[in-house]
Amino acid sequence: GQNIDQPTEMTATEGAIVQINCTYQTSGFNGLFWYQQHAGEAPTFLSYNVLDGLEEKGRFSSFLSRSKGYSYLLLKELQMKDSASYLCALLSGDYKLSFGAGTTVTVRA
Amino acid sequence: IAGITQAPTSQILAAGRRMTLRCTQDMRHNAMYWYRQDLGLGLRLIHYSNTAGTTGKGEVPDGYSVSRANTDDFPLTLASAVPSQTSVYFCASSDSTAHTGELFFGEGSRLTVL
Repeated sequence: GQNIDQPTEMTATEGAIVQINCTYQTSGFNGLFWYQQHAGEAPTFLSYNVLDGLEEKGRFSSFLSRSKGYSYLLLKELQMKDSASYLCALLSGDYKLSFGAGTTVTVRA
Repeated sequence: IAGITQAPTSQILAAGRRMTLRCTQDMRHNAMYWYRQDLGLGLRLIHYSNTAGTTGKGEVPDGYSVSRANTDDFPLTLASAVPSQTSVYFCASSDSTAHTGELFFGEGSRLTVL
């Protein structure tokens, strides 16, 4: 099975940078995902890492270290619309996606 | 616009009643999933289907059943609803042949069991 841990809540100021950490334990690994979910809406895909290193996509970057069972999502130049929950998810050996409980990010003016 | 459609959007149900949540996708994805989302617990996999005609149990399958008669439809049935099944239910699909695992989610069905 999988065990995925991420902080429950984070608060940051508009224009700042926030880093959301995710640690995991798994018996099989085929990739790590980050999803964004605004309140009352469906999750939407942000990023996917299967190899160690940094993946950059605009203001969002995601990092993976498979040997450490660790990932982070970096949000730069925060905007009010970035207030949302960010879900770390693990793709298992049989290609099922398991989610962490999510980190609620609040961006303040 | 291609995507996943769930129905109903919201439902209040008496305990003991039978309920089917509908899910239809038009992306021809082979894999489909049902998750429930509860505060503090995140998304938990109930059942999944890797291809039409096959289904499998996820993390929390008890009290739920699914069927996958064709590629597009993946209904979730609660045979006899209980209050602990009060939750938001998300249907999702993926092209598992791509092996990237990206899920596309429906808008969710909010179910309240009294």
